Amino acid sequence: GENVEQHPSTLSVQEGDSAVIKCTYSDSASNYFPWYKQELGKRPQLIIDIRSNVGEKKDQRIAVTLNKTAKHFSLHITETQPEDSAVYFCAASNLNTGKLIFGQGTTLQVKP
Amino acid sequence: GAGVSQSPRYKVAKRGQDVALRCDPISGHVSLFWYQQALGQGPEFLTYFQNEAQLDKSGLPSDRFFAERPEGSVSTLKIQRTQQEDSAVYLCASSLALTSGSGNTIYFGEGSWLTVV
Repeated sequence: GENVEQHPSTLSVQEGDSAVIKCTYSDSASNYFPWYKQELGKRPQLIIDIRSNVGEKKDQRIAVTLNKTAKHFSLHITETQPEDSAVYFCAASNLNTGKLIFGQGTTLQVKP
Repeated sequence: GAGVSQSPRYKVAKRGQDVALRCDPISGHVSLFWYQQALGQGPEFLTYFQNEAQLDKSGLPSDRFFAERPEGSVSTLKIQRTQQEDSAVYLCASSLALTSGSGNTIYFGEGSWLTVV
C-alpha cells in the first residue's frame, strides 16, 4: 500500500545551524508533496509544498527538494531559530485518491 | 470564519458512549478530509468528501465510525460505542479543489481531542 517513511524521528541542532529532514514514498503516482509544521496542541500548518514537475523550491529559510526517480524528498531549514522547534511532517498525495499520506514526523529542537 | 473550525475541541467520553464531532470547512471548499492522529504519530487518513459525496472511506477503522456531509458544507464524524483505542485527535481538513492530487493546499482545523475513559 501507500507508505511514507520519514527520518530522523528526532533532530537537535544549535541555533543558526541547518536542519535536514528526509522522506521517501512508495506510490509512484504521487505528485504533490507538502510539509507541515505542528506545534504542541496546534493544527498542522503548511510551510512549503512542491509539485512533481519541479525539483526544488525555496521560500526564505526553507527549501524542499524532490527526486522523483528515487522517490525521495527533503526539507532543508537554514539559520534555524528557537521558534522553528516543532514536529515536522512530510506527506505525499496520490493523484487518484485525493488523500495525503503522512510520514511519522520529526521532532526538531533548536537550542539557543 | 477564515479557517477550518472544529467542535468540540475537547471531549471525554465513557467507554460505550456515542460521540459526534463537527467540522466547518473554509467557505467554498469542495474537498473535506477527516484524519485521526494518535499521540506522537502522523495523521492517518479516515475519509474524504467531494461536496456531499463520500468518495473514499477506506481509512475508517471499523463500522463504528461514520461520517456525513449532507449539504456539501459542514461535516460530522460519528463514533458509536467508543472504545479506549479511539482516543486520539480527530483532524478535519478542507481544500478548494476537487482533489489534493492536483496540488491544491489542504488546510487543517485545530482538531477535536477525544479521550475515552
